[in-house]
Amino acid sequence: QQPVQSPQAVILREGEDAVINCSSSKALYSVHWYRQKHGEAPVFLMILLKGGEQKGHEKISASFNEKKQQSSLYLTASQLSYSGTYFCGTGEQSGGSNYKLTFGKGTLLTVNP
Amino acid sequence: SAVISQKPSRDICQRGTSLTIQCQVDSQVTMMFWYRQQPGQSLTLIATANQGSEATYESGFVIDKFPISRPNLTFSTLTVSNMSPEDSSIYLCSVHRGVGNTEAFFGQGTRLTVV
Repeated sequence: QQPVQSPQAVILREGEDAVINCSSSKALYSVHWYRQKHGEAPVFLMILLKGGEQKGHEKISASFNEKKQQSSLYLTASQLSYSGTYFCGTGEQSGGSNYKLTFGKGTLLTVNP
Repeated sequence: SAVISQKPSRDICQRGTSLTIQCQVDSQVTMMFWYRQQPGQSLTLIATANQGSEATYESGFVIDKFPISRPNLTFSTLTVSNMSPEDSSIYLCSVHRGVGNTEAFFGQGTRLTVV
């Protein structure tokens, strides 16, 4: 089942903050976050594997609330390079120790000067 | 990290024909994943390719339409058969670092236009 992302799009001025949310109707065991710039492949940002876990990448951090079945991505003091589409992906075991990802519809983030 | 080489990067094809997309990884991986991404849309998993066994297809995708080969641990192909304009999309291959729930790496994608 596809996770639900919100908002669909957000426009920021450089230096502003943003939060992107990802929620699922199924129990979540892990959440992945990726950023995709136009015409490029998605690039990994972080994985959250435990309930309540928080991780950081540059000025981008994320939280994972296993009970609420949701994750949030926090972008602070945004830079022009943060522009792109952000996808969350929920990990699901697909046999043995292998996993497959189901991605949300994405959040288009535009950072303007 | 994994380096993935995917080709062709783009193609324009006539309806009714087939296109084979190749994906080469610079290290051995157990699973390779094929996704479809329509412009401005999410990534939809087509199938998972495991070396030495048949690919596992997701709901809505069938082997006759998207046959997959996985001859060794570093290479896979996806064929889009009997194409129609609805098949116009970006197709991406992906692998995970290591075994289990780890980060995914993507090829640069193949932009397919069917006319």
